[in-house]
This record gives sequence, structure tokens and C-alpha cells, in this order.
Amino acid sequence: QKEVEQNSGPLSVPEGAIASLNCTYSDRGSQSFFWYRQYSGKSPELIMFIYSNGDKEDGRFTAQLNKASQYVSLLIRDSQPSDSATYLCAGRAHSGGGADGLTFGKGTHLIIQP
Amino acid sequence: NAGVMQNPRHLVRRRGQEARLRCSPMKGHSHVYWYRQLPEEGLKFMVYLQKENIIDESGMPKERFSAEFPKEGPSILRIQQVVRGDSAAYFCASSRQGNPYNEQFFGPGTRLTVL
Repeated sequence: QKEVEQNSGPLSVPEGAIASLNCTYSDRGSQSFFWYRQYSGKSPELIMFIYSNGDKEDGRFTAQLNKASQYVSLLIRDSQPSDSATYLCAGRAHSGGGADGLTFGKGTHLIIQP
Repeated sequence: NAGVMQNPRHLVRRRGQEARLRCSPMKGHSHVYWYRQLPEEGLKFMVYLQKENIIDESGMPKERFSAEFPKEGPSILRIQQVVRGDSAAYFCASSRQGNPYNEQFFGPGTRLTVL
């Protein structure tokens, strides 16, 4: 059973601080990982994806992957109130018949306090 | 608009009716994925299609649900004889290629309400 686990939160962070979102996964066959942001009532919006061990930076966002620990994280620097949303972590495996669909965690609700 | 398009955005059906949800992928994308998000639950993968082929339907309920992606036109997710438990947001995503290193971009979703 493939699982992606996230702390549901809410995670409350002061404006301007660093928000740290974490995710663990059970399927060692997972090849790539995606972070999506979802505002209430809206569709998921892709923020970043990562497939190599280490860090990947894009603007205020840094994704981190540790395959040995089966751990993925997303750091948001200089948090803004507009970053308040639910953040979804997803993993994707590559099985014999081709790539699988994304396996999502339930999401972490992030609140940035002005 | 070059994004993923879904219609209708909202759909109301009575129990026992059929629901048809449509998805047009982003321009240049030939891989389509359907996901369902039940209230207070996470997104669940349902089915992955390429043109005229179902690649992975491991997340599809065995009965009443079917999907297609014809050579011409949008992908369609069909739910026959809907029940109240089918009420959910159904999202379609598309990617340029099918390998794990391609991003999936989501459409706005269809919110299905079964009365």
C-alpha cells in the first residue's frame, strides 16, 4: 500500500518567517515528488517537484528530498499571508507498465499570521 | 487559455442518473489523469489515459465508473447510476509525457453534487 503522510496542522507561522512543511512516504519505488498548493474550493497548483536527493530552490521555495529516510520537505522563506493554504505532497512511482498516478498526502493547512 | 479545461464546473444529479465529466488537456499534452477529492479527504488517483488507451485504472471503482480519451475530443469520466457517496470534486490533470519526471497540471475541477 503506497502512502504519503503529512501532518494535517494547522501550522501557524508569523509573516516573514520560514514555514517548514514535511512529508514521509512508504513506497521506495517512488521516483519523484511534487508539492502543490490548494486554496479552499480551488484546484491544486503545482509549486515544485524534485526527484534527486538534496535541495532544489525556486524563488522563496526550497524542496528537499532524502530517499534514504523517505522524507520530503518544502521550505517557504519570507512567508506571506497569501501563502496561507493547504499544501499537498505527492509521490509518483514507475511500475512495470509505466508511471503510476500521483499518491497524495492529505495535506498540511498552513496559516501565515500577519 | 492554454491550461487544462474541465466542464461543467458544477454538476447536480439525482440518485440513479448519469454524470459525464469532460477534460481537455493543456496544449501539447497527451497524458490525462483523473483524481477525486471527497470532502475532508485527500486527492485519490482514479485513472491514467493516453489517446485511445487506458494506461492505469487501478484507482477506479469497479462498478459504475468508466473513462475514455478518444482520438478526437476531450477525455470523459462517466459515472452511471450515481449515489450520494459520489458527491465530490473531480479533477483532471495533464502532462506532456507519462514518465515520473513530468509535472502534472490540474484543471479547475468539476464539483458533483448528488441529491
